[in-house]
Amino acid sequence: KAGVTQTPRYLIKTRGQQVTLSCSPISGHRSVSWYQQTPGQGLQFLFEYFSETQRNKGNFPGRFSGRQFSNSRSEMNVSTLELGDSALYLCASSLVTVANYGYTFGSGTRLTVV
Amino acid sequence: GESVGLHLPTLSVQEGDNSIINCAYSNSASDYFIWYKQESGKGPQFIIDIRSNMDKRQGQRVTVLLNKTVKHLSLQIAATQPGDSAVYFCAETPSGYSTLTFGKGTMLLVSP
Repeated sequence: KAGVTQTPRYLIKTRGQQVTLSCSPISGHRSVSWYQQTPGQGLQFLFEYFSETQRNKGNFPGRFSGRQFSNSRSEMNVSTLELGDSALYLCASSLVTVANYGYTFGSGTRLTVV
Repeated sequence: GESVGLHLPTLSVQEGDNSIINCAYSNSASDYFIWYKQESGKGPQFIIDIRSNMDKRQGQRVTVLLNKTVKHLSLQIAATQPGDSAVYFCAETPSGYSTLTFGKGTMLLVSP
């Protein structure tokens, strides 16, 4: 079966711009989580959506937002980009909860802010 | 592209050696633990998991040990191969939760 698909794979944006990243989960998975990965901070949780509702949110500023559609596909948006937003953004999908069903990660979107 | 391995502790071993990667976790309420492997340019890949009602679990060439008393997790890789070279992360969560807290990671380098 198809895995978790993230698009685009690479992005270069300028400070102050906004960006939208997309994640298509494994078919049947209703939970989609987003993580930011940087060399300094490691993997940090951004937010999680389940059945189109944000179920959990990490400690990131309001410039980071997301949504989930009825087909479980999810998008995350970062507005007013800062240099420090340069990171690998990873999406993970789960049937319901990671603690009961595990995660499958996508390959990520590498965002570079210049 | 930028490596996720910068700033990480590194374990260097020879091919055929056994490797042990350690992780300290922080949340006493966590009762589900996972080890992930991440290769360059890829997302984390599940290796093995363990729940708090166990202290050891074995997979193919991998074993996870859990010590709840000192909140310590370890991953043992037997007969390490060059293809095992990657960054390894531990992750934890309380049961029923839908988010993971990740450790900082360890880079494993395997020399032929």
